[in-house]
Amino acid sequence: GENVEQHPSTLSVQEGDSAVIKCTYSDSASNYFPWYKQELGKRPQLIIDIRSNVGEKKDQRIAVTLNKTAKHFSLHITETQPEDSAVYFCAGSGGSYIPTFGRGTSLIVHP
Amino acid sequence: NAGVTQTPKFRVLKTGQSMTLLCAQDMNHEYMYWYRQDPGMGLRLIHYSVGEGTTAKGEVPDGYNVSRLKKQNFLLGLESAAPSQTSVYFCASTLWTSNEQFFGPGTRLTVL
Repeated sequence: GENVEQHPSTLSVQEGDSAVIKCTYSDSASNYFPWYKQELGKRPQLIIDIRSNVGEKKDQRIAVTLNKTAKHFSLHITETQPEDSAVYFCAGSGGSYIPTFGRGTSLIVHP
Repeated sequence: NAGVTQTPKFRVLKTGQSMTLLCAQDMNHEYMYWYRQDPGMGLRLIHYSVGEGTTAKGEVPDGYNVSRLKKQNFLLGLESAAPSQTSVYFCASTLWTSNEQFFGPGTRLTVL
């Protein structure tokens, strides 16, 4: 089955800096790679996703890049703000609609 | 639309007791999932369902059973709770034309 590794487990940045979280996957059949944000005590919510036929996708301050050859994808957050502080999860899934999640990255943005 | 709801929000059990967690969605989604979330472990899939009347095992199914008698509901049962089942449980659902998971608010379960 799919195996998704996520790094780092904790990321601390100053407000205004950029943050990058990386994930690798093992199953070359995976074709959908979402990122979820989970604020403390809340449910995970989708913030951005990318499919395997696209190399990069942007939505305002967040972007996701995908390298199919190397089997890794990354979340980029620019101009970080304190409200970006949360746990971020990556996931990979194929046509089975059964995602495998990474273990999460705790992002801390210091004012 | 209420989206995905879960009942109860919190529960404390004693070892050996049983309980059922209820997940309901009003979005007519075909796929439904049960996850457990433990510190540093991410979201691990317990069981899932691809449609009414169908269920399948996920990554960590031992000690849990599920049923999906109605399309909008997905029940997770613990027959004999153990302290290792102390966790936060999330239900999620997905439309078959999309991979996006919609999560419920979670159930915090403590087994003493």
